[in-house]
Amino acid sequence: KNQVEQSPQSLIILEGKNCTLQCNYTVSPFSNLRWYKQDTGRGPVSLTIMTFSENTKSNGRYTATLDADTKQSSLHITASQLSDSASYICVVSARPGGYNKLIFGAGTRLAVHP
Amino acid sequence: DAGVIQSPRHEVTEMGQEVTLRCKPISGHDYLFWYRQTMMRGLELLIYFNNNVPIDDSGMPEDRFSAKMPNASFSTLKIQPSEPRDSAVYFCASSLMGGFGGELFFGEGSRLTVL
Repeated sequence: KNQVEQSPQSLIILEGKNCTLQCNYTVSPFSNLRWYKQDTGRGPVSLTIMTFSENTKSNGRYTATLDADTKQSSLHITASQLSDSASYICVVSARPGGYNKLIFGAGTRLAVHP
Repeated sequence: DAGVIQSPRHEVTEMGQEVTLRCKPISGHDYLFWYRQTMMRGLELLIYFNNNVPIDDSGMPEDRFSAKMPNASFSTLKIQPSEPRDSAVYFCASSLMGGFGGELFFGEGSRLTVL
């Protein structure tokens, strides 16, 4: 069964600290993996999209890694800011394409405290 | 670019009433999606359109739900009659399928509460 599991479920860190969110998937055959940020009361916003051949992708203070062999991805946030408080959703796409093949994780809720 | 526009942002209604949610996709995008988000089930795809044609509606929970896309700039999701278990946030998203796995752009969502 295609599944995406994220950990931790929630996380609290102090402003300025780094953190890493995890995503494990069993989706096969794999096409791409996306990380979305969802602020409270807002729609998800794409942070990165990574294909099979990409190991690392950065977007400002956000760096995503992908290990297609172990079927794991991580999202590392550097020097966290209060505005990073949000839910982070990992989404894996199965090949062949088609948006009905997007498998969503339950998300990690991050709270950054001053 | 104004992004994906949804209305209403909030809707409170009583069980049995008809609910209509509206979406304007980003101009030029040829894919439109309706998602539902709840705490229990996360984000679920309800239906998606390509060039105004429904492609996959297997996620629509039951016959009470219907979606239309009369033109490239407008779509509706209708629930009739509504039930308390329909309470959720409904998101519309659009995409330009320039290649395999195009990026999705979400609207701000419509929060529905059915009493």
